[in-house]
Order: sequence, then C-alpha cells, then structure tokens
Amino acid sequence: KQEVTQIPAALSVPEGENLVLNCSFTDSAIYNLQWFRQDPGKGLTSLLLIQSSQREQTSGRLNASLDKSSGRSTLYIAASQPGDSATYLCAVDPSNYQLIWGAGTKLIIKP
Amino acid sequence: NAGVTQTPKFQVLKTGQSMTLQCAQDMNHEYMSWYRQDPGMGLRLIHYSVGAGITDQGEVPNGYNVSRSTTEDFPLRLLSAAPSQTSVYFCASSSRSAPPLDTQYFGPGTRLTVL
Repeated sequence: KQEVTQIPAALSVPEGENLVLNCSFTDSAIYNLQWFRQDPGKGLTSLLLIQSSQREQTSGRLNASLDKSSGRSTLYIAASQPGDSATYLCAVDPSNYQLIWGAGTKLIIKP
Repeated sequence: NAGVTQTPKFQVLKTGQSMTLQCAQDMNHEYMSWYRQDPGMGLRLIHYSVGAGITDQGEVPNGYNVSRSTTEDFPLRLLSAAPSQTSVYFCASSSRSAPPLDTQYFGPGTRLTVL
C-alpha cells in the first residue's frame, strides 16, 4: 500500500534562507507527484506537478525534483520570504485518480 | 472562471441529521473528488468521479453518498451525521485531457461540526 511521508512536520527559518522540504513515498509506480500550498483556513493551491517521466519542475523561486527509484521528492524554495509561510503538502497519484497525501510540513518564515 | 465553488462554508449538525455539501466547477473538468482533512493527517479521499454518471469510492466512503448527473456538479451527501464526521471537506477537480494536465483545483472548503 502506498504511503506518503513528509518530514519535518514543522520548520521555522529566517527570511532569505534557501530551504528544502522532503516528501517520500513507498511505491515507485506513480503517475505523477504534486506539491500544494495551504494557507490557514483556506483551500489548497497547486504549486508544481511532476509527471512520472520528468525529473523536475520549476516555477519562479520553487523547484521540485522527483526520484522514483528512491521514492523521494524535494521542494526547494529559494530566498524565502514571510509570504511563503504556509503548510506544504505533497500527493502521489498512482494513476487511478486516488491521490495519496502526506500530512504536510508547516513552514514559518521569520522576518 | 469561478473555478471550484463549495457551499456552505460552515455547518453545524446534530447527530443523525442529514445534509448535502455542494460542489461545482466551471472548467469542464471530467474528474471531481471529495476529501476530508483532519488535524495532523493528510487529506483522505471519500468519493470521486471520472465523468458524469460515473462515481467510485475512495479510502473513507462510509456514511457518504455522491452522484454526478452533470459535468459541473458533484454533491456530497451525509446520510446520518456522526461526530466522527466533524472535519473540513474539500472538493477538487482536474482534467486528464486538457492542460494543465492533472493539476488539481480545490474549492475553499466546508468546515463541518457534528454535535
């Protein structure tokens, strides 16, 4: 059974630092992997989607990588800002539309 | 485009009551789904649909019903509310045929409390 884990559960860093969020999954047979952002009391916003044939995706200061063989994905945030404070979730799509979710990493960027 | 809309935003029910959470999308997405989110846990899939007239169960379907009579609407019905159904409910949609492929769009959520 596919399981998705995100470590750490919470992270606090000073503004301006580059940081990496981790997502691991137990079954490498995935269709895609997605990273989302969730602000308190709000819905989820898709940040990056990596198809199984891709190694990475970039959007602005965000870069997500995928290594299926090791069951890992990382979300790299460059030059962090207070506005980046949110909970970041990753989800794996095994191709049957039934996404499997990590519990998220709560990120706090201190001014 | 309004994207994915959900109503109501907040709801309080008594044990045993029934209600319907509404979800609509205006992006002509074929895929729609319902999730619940509980503190400290990832989202869990309740039911999903790959097109009008087609629905299937997710990880936690018990106590919930869905139907999909149109592409746009995907209501979630709580048959007899229980305190264990206190949660935040999210509806999402995506397309596997139109770009951006597979990107999930979420509604703002419904915060449900069952007393």
